[in-house]
Amino acid sequence: NAGVTQTPKFQVLKTGQSMTLQCAQDMNHEYMSWYRQDPGMGLRLIHYSVGAGITDQGEVPNGYNVSRSTTEDFPLRLLSAAPSQTSVYFCASSYTQTGGAGYTFGSGTRLTVV
Amino acid sequence: AQSVTQLGSHVSVSEGALVLLRCNYSSSVPPYLFWYVQYPNQGLQLLLKYTSAATLVKGINGFEAEFKKSETSFHLTKPSAHMSDAAEYFCAVSDGLSGNQFYFGTGTSLTVIP
Repeated sequence: NAGVTQTPKFQVLKTGQSMTLQCAQDMNHEYMSWYRQDPGMGLRLIHYSVGAGITDQGEVPNGYNVSRSTTEDFPLRLLSAAPSQTSVYFCASSYTQTGGAGYTFGSGTRLTVV
Repeated sequence: AQSVTQLGSHVSVSEGALVLLRCNYSSSVPPYLFWYVQYPNQGLQLLLKYTSAATLVKGINGFEAEFKKSETSFHLTKPSAHMSDAAEYFCAVSDGLSGNQFYFGTGTSLTVIP
């Protein structure tokens, strides 16, 4: 019962580097999303997907790309890391069609950009 | 559009005292409402959810919340605080549409004083 798995748990990047945060779920959830958590700002939606091949932007998409080639995986790519992207990133998934379905969250990736 | 306001970014209670964490929402359609808890260095866990059934919702660890449509509120309560309740709590709203997109409050940090 893995749920939502995020890797890596911790990462330090230099400004300008690129990297991919991995997210995988084994619950056959249609909906997947990426949030960033910053002190005093709660969780802000970066990108989301309602199914394989379909993605859309959330509240703070700039500097991030996503793709959804399979139901299980939803990687988040940082194109050129900036110090402002230092944050804790959470991946979450849920069933789309059942209204009110709660999210299942991964344990997070703590990213520091220096 | 949906939004959530959590009153009080920090709340302190004595062990054994009543816990009250406030959440007000705005929603153009009947909402689905959620409370999540986040322990240090962990992901978010679902505490409870309201999905248009009973207005008083019971969750895990003795927490409950009451949906009050007239006040657009969904406050979280627990009769007697325990040291293990110290965590960050997030209120969230979803309209069940738009691919089950959630909107989170900025969080309330609960401290329990022995």
